Amino acid sequence: AQSVTQLDSQVPVFEEAPVELRCNYSSSVSVYLFWYVQYPNQGLQLLLKYLSGSTLVKGINGFEAEFNKSQTSFHLRKPSVHISDTAEYFCAVLSGGGSEKLVFGKGTKLTVNP
Amino acid sequence: DADVTQTPRNRITKTGKRIMLECSQTKGHDRMYWYRQDPGLGLRLIYYSFDVKDINKGEISDGYSVSRQAQAKFSLSLESAIPNQTALYFCATSALRGSHYEQYFGPGTRLTVT
Repeated sequence: AQSVTQLDSQVPVFEEAPVELRCNYSSSVSVYLFWYVQYPNQGLQLLLKYLSGSTLVKGINGFEAEFNKSQTSFHLRKPSVHISDTAEYFCAVLSGGGSEKLVFGKGTKLTVNP
Repeated sequence: DADVTQTPRNRITKTGKRIMLECSQTKGHDRMYWYRQDPGLGLRLIYYSFDVKDINKGEISDGYSVSRQAQAKFSLSLESAIPNQTALYFCATSALRGSHYEQYFGPGTRLTVT
């Protein structure tokens, strides 16, 4: 079965610092990968997705992620964070082969401090 | 109008009561899902449906049932609610066409069982 591991449950950073949120997945078939953001008391918003093509994916709000097949990773990065980036971030994987079940990691709470 | 709507948005109920959460979509997607979100656990799949006649259990289906009344409607029922079903519930839809993948989440239903 697929699984997603988000290696850090909480990441505190200072404003304007770079950040990397780590995500590893387990799957033996082709995968589609996603990052979602959830702001306090809100629903899920898609940040970016990797389906095929370039392994470096750019998303909204200045975030990007790199798909690394050999390391089965899909880490999320932002070069300079803002207070408004404080939220919970979820990595998710969808396996190919018609099994359209999106499996989520447990989430990483990003707190940006002034 | 929102692509995926959920009713109610908030509900407080007592242990032992039957409750239904409803989901409607306007995307024309065949695939629909119910997830629950708990702090520190991410989103976990309860049930999913690939068309009106196809219903499948997810990883945490015990204590829940679903009904796919039409392509656009997918309801989740708690036959006898218990306090550990207190959570945030999300409905979602998806479509995978070649390498093009779409998924939409509803705004969530916050359920409290006392």
